[in-house]
Amino acid sequence: KNEVEQSPQNLTAQEGEFITINCSYSVGISALHWLQQHPGGGIVSLFMLSSGKKKHGRLIATINIQEKHSSLHITASHPRDSAVYICAVTPNEKLTFGTGTRLTIIP
Amino acid sequence: NAGVMQNPRHLVRRRGQEARLRCSPMKGHSHVYWYRQLPEEGLKFMVYLQKENIIDESGMPKERFSAEFPKEGPSILRIQQVVRGDSAAYFCASSDGTGLGYTFGSGTRLTVV
Repeated sequence: KNEVEQSPQNLTAQEGEFITINCSYSVGISALHWLQQHPGGGIVSLFMLSSGKKKHGRLIATINIQEKHSSLHITASHPRDSAVYICAVTPNEKLTFGTGTRLTIIP
Repeated sequence: NAGVMQNPRHLVRRRGQEARLRCSPMKGHSHVYWYRQLPEEGLKFMVYLQKENIIDESGMPKERFSAEFPKEGPSILRIQQVVRGDSAAYFCASSDGTGLGYTFGSGTRLTVV
């Protein structure tokens, strides 16, 4: 069993829809990261969370430490949000990654 | 204030050649991590280094792969006698060691022909 599980693996939605991507982990962590990767592109760090909730533009990330669960939300989704979203945790210094959620937003 | 700089962006090597991938961490960061992303797979940890020290190399293949982070200059990931299975995207990240932030480089895409 992976230490970090993401769902769904693939998500297709219409432009404007509210998007939720979930991440569950099974180890103790110091922080959880949400990353974005466009096809053939680099990795961009969206959020680092150790508790509560963070918001940046149309993106919102929440974490529940007791339940070992985090969600990434995208409001008013846009085709440029199409990418792979990766959840990663730091049980120690190095990152342990989920397998990613491939999001496609259709105009 | 440049972020994490990786070069080259793309590298093509013939089987049996050596590949050298470079990573300059973000200014003020002394912790460097290398991750590998095989085609259609997720990211996997390879090695964690601080200046002149390998802290954790539990993700490195036992043979042909080595990494260093010298006192001066970038971190180097070296792959000797490359094989087709080494074709992947190699990402470097750096941090200041506080656990409060990670910055990724743009990656080096290695193709072995």
